Amino acid sequence: EIVLTQSPGTLSLSPGERATLSCRASQSVSSSYLAWYQQKPGQAPRLLIYGASSRATGIPDRFSGSGSGTDFTLTISRLEPEDFAVYYCQQYGSSPQRYTFGQGTKLEIK
Amino acid sequence: EVQLVESGGGLVKPGGSLRLSCAASGFTFSSYSMNWVRQAPGKGLEWVSSISSSSSYIYYADSVKGRFTISRDNAKNSLYLQMNSLRAEDTAVYYCARTREQLVGDFDFWGQGTLVTVSS
Repeated sequence: EIVLTQSPGTLSLSPGERATLSCRASQSVSSSYLAWYQQKPGQAPRLLIYGASSRATGIPDRFSGSGSGTDFTLTISRLEPEDFAVYYCQQYGSSPQRYTFGQGTKLEIK
Repeated sequence: EVQLVESGGGLVKPGGSLRLSCAASGFTFSSYSMNWVRQAPGKGLEWVSSISSSSSYIYYADSVKGRFTISRDNAKNSLYLQMNSLRAEDTAVYYCARTREQLVGDFDFWGQGTLVTVSS
């Protein structure tokens, strides 16, 4: 079973700064099935990035995803106040067939 | 506008049962795989189960296999999760979510969730 480990657990930054969030898989993951979500308190998760690097509909271009194999990154180029939230990576694996989420990175205002 | 609305959550005793529903609208429900994802209080996201558009493929997390049953009624645009033999660790907000495309992959729309509390 693939385990996704996100780092850091908490990231403290100021608006306008650049955020770099990491998601590392315990074994190689298909880039086609690596996604990133944003979740704000009391809200459902929102899809940000799919296929490791494609932005979902309506997602601002300050959000970008990259990586392959076991190492993936979500970058927010210039933080806006509304970007402070928890971010999760997710992968789908076919053997066995299941989805896995990382434990999340909390992005907080410094 | 795509909408997913969960219902059926509540307080249930350990060993009890509950059936969750998810009413879908704003898209051709019968064309999409659907999923249940849960989130325990203060914790991260945990995938629970998935079902393909025609119910041909069904997957479960090991933590719920043999206790939970996912199903759908395409005529009613509805997704269900029958939960039996509930345990305290099943306490969570349960979200239904749509698979963006194909059989498997990322989840592009989510409901607001329904809270299930398992406690005596």
